[in-house]
Amino acid sequence: NAGVTQTPKFQVLKTGQSMTLQCAQDMNHNSMYWYRQDPGMGLRLIYYSASEGTTDKGEVPNGYNVSRLNKREFSLRLESAAPSQTSVYFCASRTTGAPYGYGYTFGSGTRLTVV
Amino acid sequence: AQSVTQPDIHITVSEGASLELRCNYSYGATPYLFWYVQSPGQGLQLLLKYFSGDTLVQGIKGFEAEFKRSQSSFNLRKPSVHWSDAAEYFCAVGSSSGGYQKVTFGTGTKLQVIP
Repeated sequence: NAGVTQTPKFQVLKTGQSMTLQCAQDMNHNSMYWYRQDPGMGLRLIYYSASEGTTDKGEVPNGYNVSRLNKREFSLRLESAAPSQTSVYFCASRTTGAPYGYGYTFGSGTRLTVV
Repeated sequence: AQSVTQPDIHITVSEGASLELRCNYSYGATPYLFWYVQSPGQGLQLLLKYFSGDTLVQGIKGFEAEFKRSQSSFNLRKPSVHWSDAAEYFCAVGSSSGGYQKVTFGTGTKLQVIP
């Protein structure tokens, strides 16, 4: 099925460990995004990639890095995990054929716990 | 800066009753407005969007929303709620600046449906 695939679905890290969250879309979308969702705070944009080869900071980029590996894949890396990064992480993508096109397509999320 | 307020954190309605979820936005120009729904353990799914034109927009699953510029509101409605509508609903506003990459989400309204 076409869509956005995130791996892993669940992860527990110890403080200071590193990990990479993977995201891939098969809809030929140009733009991709990483959000975190915390209770009572909605979704907050971490980083985005408007097109292949470009990345930009969002609202809460500290402690994260991203790589737009190719048009399909956009990964999020935590270099030294902290308990404050415990959250649910969502990857999303959209076409850029028109302003906001058909809206975002979201993956099913990665639930990350840092202990 | 743009912002979205969803004043109701939690709403309970009886199955078959009508529903209205409130959303107020702040944005200096004509906004791009969205409603998304999130079922437990899932990513967000686009219900409907408003870009311009008719201020009453129809979406999937029998939902509609009305854009009222004078009230800076974009409330979501459904005439008869089904048990499967129980989920969390997010209103979002998109900016026309920065290459249409800035979408701000509200904090969400959790809908409970009772038989």
